[in-house]
Amino acid sequence: SQTIHQWPATLVQPVGSPLSLECTVEGTSNPNLYWYRQAAGRGLQLLFYSVGIGQISSEVPQNLSASRPQDRQFILSSKKLLLSDSGFYLCAWTRGWDTEAFFGQGTRLTVV
Amino acid sequence: DAKTTQPNSMESNEEEPVHLPCNHSTISGTDYIHWYRQLPSQGPEYVIHGLTSNVNNRMASLAIAEDRKSSTLILHRATLRDAAVYYCILRDVSNQFYFGTGTSLTVIP
Repeated sequence: SQTIHQWPATLVQPVGSPLSLECTVEGTSNPNLYWYRQAAGRGLQLLFYSVGIGQISSEVPQNLSASRPQDRQFILSSKKLLLSDSGFYLCAWTRGWDTEAFFGQGTRLTVV
Repeated sequence: DAKTTQPNSMESNEEEPVHLPCNHSTISGTDYIHWYRQLPSQGPEYVIHGLTSNVNNRMASLAIAEDRKSSTLILHRATLRDAAVYYCILRDVSNQFYFGTGTSLTVIP
């Protein structure tokens, strides 16, 4: 069966520090991968998605970047965090638009 | 951007059916209608999806209007564990998918 792992679960980082969040998928190949952010009390905002290794599409210009160094690995990064980067970050995967999507349990990031 | 509109909140009594509506007037022929739900501090959970015909699974039923411009998620007997934010999403061949604000369902014991 397929599983998605996302870590860490919670993270407190000072302003200006770097960030690296990792997401891995098991049990499938060539998944479509997504990063979302959810601010407190708000809906999910699509940040990045990837249809293959090294292929990243950015939805919102911002302080974050994403990379896909391996087929089932998706990394969200920042060189210098801002207070506004705080939020709940979710990774998701899907095989295609006609199949269900699966979400990780999320990382709650607090920038202080 | 989200292509669906949903009521911000709804209430239901426990053990009664719940009908959650969604409007998607700009849907195209190949767009699938997906529903997910999210509990506090958790990732969204897949509920159901469909293209044209009504769909049933162990969690819910999805009723799709004949013109496909609206759909309804049906929970046959609401339980306290069904209290969540329900998102209706259109997914197209581009593989991008966008969440709106969803419907916050409160289940009253």
